[in-house]
Amino acid sequence: NAGVTQTPKFRILKIGQSMTLQCAQDMNHNYMYWYRQDPGMGLKLIYYSVGAGITDKGEVPNGYNVSRSTTEDFPLRLELAAPSQTSVYFCASSYSKRAFYSNQPQHFGDGTRLSIL
Amino acid sequence: GESVGLHLPTLSVQEGDNSIINCAYSNSASDYFIWYKQESGKGPQFIIDIRSNMDKRQGQRVTVLLNKTVKHLSLQIAATQPGDSAVYFCAENNDYKLSFGAGTTVTVRA
Repeated sequence: NAGVTQTPKFRILKIGQSMTLQCAQDMNHNYMYWYRQDPGMGLKLIYYSVGAGITDKGEVPNGYNVSRSTTEDFPLRLELAAPSQTSVYFCASSYSKRAFYSNQPQHFGDGTRLSIL
Repeated sequence: GESVGLHLPTLSVQEGDNSIINCAYSNSASDYFIWYKQESGKGPQFIIDIRSNMDKRQGQRVTVLLNKTVKHLSLQIAATQPGDSAVYFCAENNDYKLSFGAGTTVTVRA
């Protein structure tokens, strides 16, 4: 059982370039999330999705876009990379919106380390 | 500012001793809390969770205590081992969102 898989693991971009960070989960989870983690900090929510075809903004959505065409996949797109987007990006999934009810917390991938120069 | 934070950024513990990691939260409406462990180069790994209708919950070598009166959460690790060296985050679950503190780095001394 692979859980949450993120690709690529590392990437270096030039300012203004675009790229898509891939995230896939094989647990049939309804909910998926994208976070960014800056050095020495906790995670901040970028976007989330409660199911295929439904996405919504988190705390720090500016400069990013997402789509959710299938239950399994939740890609994150950077259209015009900026140095402020240098970070580690984590994708997570959970069974229900309120992990509380199903007693299933969010499960995380191992991250994509992105540097923008 | 962040609604969840940890009191100390670092904690050094002798192998075999017990560790206590603290966390304060500000949203009194929060009803579910999670502790995560993050090792270098990895994503956060679930350790234990607790609902607001509980004061204490125990797992394997770990115990989480919740004090809603002072909005304080703690994680106790018994008989700390070298493999426990990591960054520990508490997270507060409100609706769709997990709010994380900055984390406590635990270093285990041999």
